[in-house]
Amino acid sequence: TQLLEQSPQFLSIQEGENLTVYCNSSSVFSSLQWYRQEPGEGPVLLVTVVTGGEVKKLKRLTFQFGDARKDSSLHITAAQPGDTGLYLCAGVINSGAGSYQLTFGKGTKLSVIP
Amino acid sequence: DAGVTQSPTHLIKTRGQQVTLRCSPISGHKSVSWYQQVLGQGPQFIFQYYEKEERGRGNFPDRFSARQFPNYSSELNVNALLLGDSALYLCASSGQGERNQPQHFGDGTRLSIL
Repeated sequence: TQLLEQSPQFLSIQEGENLTVYCNSSSVFSSLQWYRQEPGEGPVLLVTVVTGGEVKKLKRLTFQFGDARKDSSLHITAAQPGDTGLYLCAGVINSGAGSYQLTFGKGTKLSVIP
Repeated sequence: DAGVTQSPTHLIKTRGQQVTLRCSPISGHKSVSWYQQVLGQGPQFIFQYYEKEERGRGNFPDRFSARQFPNYSSELNVNALLLGDSALYLCASSGQGERNQPQHFGDGTRLSIL
């Protein structure tokens, strides 16, 4: 079983602060995805990182894939109340013919206080 | 365009009963995956179907089964329900061809077992 450990599990910060969420595994993944999930809704894909050492930016969000493709981080600059939600990392396991499965971490529940 | 639709949105059952959950993928998507998300946890992979064939199965008992129809919609069946089956059941669809195409999640079916 390929496990993904996310930390911290809970995070409550003031608007305007910066934060980093970590996703670690002992296994190598072909790629890794980050999702955000709001209450009552399904997860929404934020980014896919594929290459070891890759850095992707999405407005105030910066995603990094570790060199060994075992870990990743999500950094949010100047957090806003709209960033509140459950952040999930998911390792991609290819099952052939263009299909793949996701192994999710337990998530980081972020609350940004105005 | 309609996203992934799941029905019903909420369901209450008692122990020992059987349940069928339904999922309609995004038009043109041929792959459907099912996930179970227990409160406070990340989603856990149950099944994946691609072109009506099972392409992956997670670590779930035989009480869980699924199928995909010619129109690519899918059903998840759970027999002999247990209290521990209470969870949000998520369906995700993805396209074909290009590797690592993103999975698009529905908003889930909230199943409560009394």
